[in-house]
Amino acid sequence: AQSVAQPEDQVNVAEGNPLTVKCTYSVSGNPYLFWYVQYPNRGLQFLLKYITGDNLVKGSYGFEAEFNKSQTSFHLKKPSALVSDSALYFCAVRPPSGSARQLTFGSGTQLTVLP
Amino acid sequence: NAGVTQTPKFRILKIGQSMTLQCTQDMNHNYMYWYRQDPGMGLKLIYYSVGAGITDKGEVPNGYNVSRSTTEDFPLRLELAAPSQTSVYFCASSFRQSTDTQYFGPGTRLTVL
Repeated sequence: AQSVAQPEDQVNVAEGNPLTVKCTYSVSGNPYLFWYVQYPNRGLQFLLKYITGDNLVKGSYGFEAEFNKSQTSFHLKKPSALVSDSALYFCAVRPPSGSARQLTFGSGTQLTVLP
Repeated sequence: NAGVTQTPKFRILKIGQSMTLQCTQDMNHNYMYWYRQDPGMGLKLIYYSVGAGITDKGEVPNGYNVSRSTTEDFPLRLELAAPSQTSVYFCASSFRQSTDTQYFGPGTRLTVL
C-alpha cells in the first residue's frame, strides 16, 4: 500500500521569502503525485501534478514542485511567498495502475506567511 | 459552470438520525468521490463511482451508503448517525481517474451529538 508523509504540520515564512512544503511518498512503481491547497472553509483546489517527464513541475499561483525519485520526495516550492498563500496544503500520491481508491492524501501542512 | 456543488453546508444530527448529503457536478465527469476530512488526518475516501450505476467502497465505508443513478448526482447516505461521523465531508469529481485532477465541492460540516 502506498503512503504519503508531510513531516511538518506547520510552516511559517516571512512574506517575500522562499517557501518549501515537504512531501515524501512510498508507492510501487512510478508514482502520480499531486499538490492541492485548501483555503479556510473551502474545498481543495488543484495546484499541480507530476505524471511523467520533466522532474520540475510548474503549477498555479507561481508554485512549483520537484520530483526526486531517489529521495522519493515531491516538495512544493515558491520563490517569493505572499500573505495570500497562507492555507492548508495537501500532497497526494497514487500508483500508475490501480483503482480510484488508491489516491492517498497526506495529513496536510498549514502554511502561514507573515507580513 | 458551477463545478461541484454540495448541500447542506452545515448540519447537526442527533445520534441515530439519518440524512443524505447531496452532491452534483455539471462537468460531465465520469468519476465521483466522497471523502471525509478529520483534523490532522488528511482526507479518507469513503466511496467512489466510475459512472452511473457503478459504485465501490473506499477506505472508510462503514456507516455510509451511496447511489449513482445519473452522471451528475452522487448522494451520500448516513443511516444511523454516530458521533464518530462528525467530520467535514467533501465530494469530488474527475473526468478520468488515473491522471486527472479531482475537482472538489465546498464541503459539508456535519456534527453528530
